[in-house]
Amino acid sequence: AQTVTQSQPEMSVQEAETVTLSCTYDTSENNYYLFWYKQPPSRQMILVIRQEAYKQQNATENRFSVNFQKAAKSFSLKISDSQLGDTAMYFCAFILNTGKLIFGQGTTLQVKP
Amino acid sequence: DAGVIQSPRHEVTEMGQEVTLRCKPISGHNSLFWYRQTMMRGLELLIYFNNNVPIDDSGMPEDRFSAKMPNASFSTLKIQPSEPRDSAVYFCASSLAGRDEKLFFGSGTQLSVL
Repeated sequence: AQTVTQSQPEMSVQEAETVTLSCTYDTSENNYYLFWYKQPPSRQMILVIRQEAYKQQNATENRFSVNFQKAAKSFSLKISDSQLGDTAMYFCAFILNTGKLIFGQGTTLQVKP
Repeated sequence: DAGVIQSPRHEVTEMGQEVTLRCKPISGHNSLFWYRQTMMRGLELLIYFNNNVPIDDSGMPEDRFSAKMPNASFSTLKIQPSEPRDSAVYFCASSLAGRDEKLFFGSGTQLSVL
């Protein structure tokens, strides 16, 4: 079965601190892509970062970085220097060979001033 | 480009009525996806199209749901008859074909069936 699991329904962090959101997935494929999407209260789904499974180097986008452990099928998101605008629901997602994108249940992140 | 455009943004209807949700993908994109988001089930893929052809509709809940893509710039998701349990946010997303391409989402349609 192709699944994505986010074990933290809710998290909070103080402004300017660092927070890590967890994600694990299950697949029998060897080459695939993983994503983190952000959904702020506006409801808009926004791509945060993308990781290609055949690349060992972890992807980074400004304050956002991932820790990709292929053998463990783990794909965590680290947000450094958290800002109030980072408050949102974060979804980990995995794309299948067919192009079908599967989402985790989401983690609600609250950044506190 | 204006991005993926969905209409209406909000829809309130009574049980038994027909509901039609509309989506205009980004010009040049050839894959289109319909997702449903609820608190209980999260984001579920209902159906997706590639080059206007439905590729996987295994996520469509039941026969009351149908989706069409008559051309590359327009898709509809229809629910007939609607039921209260269909209340959710429905997202349309598009991408260039290929599994490494990121999805661009519309703003969603908040559907409430009373």
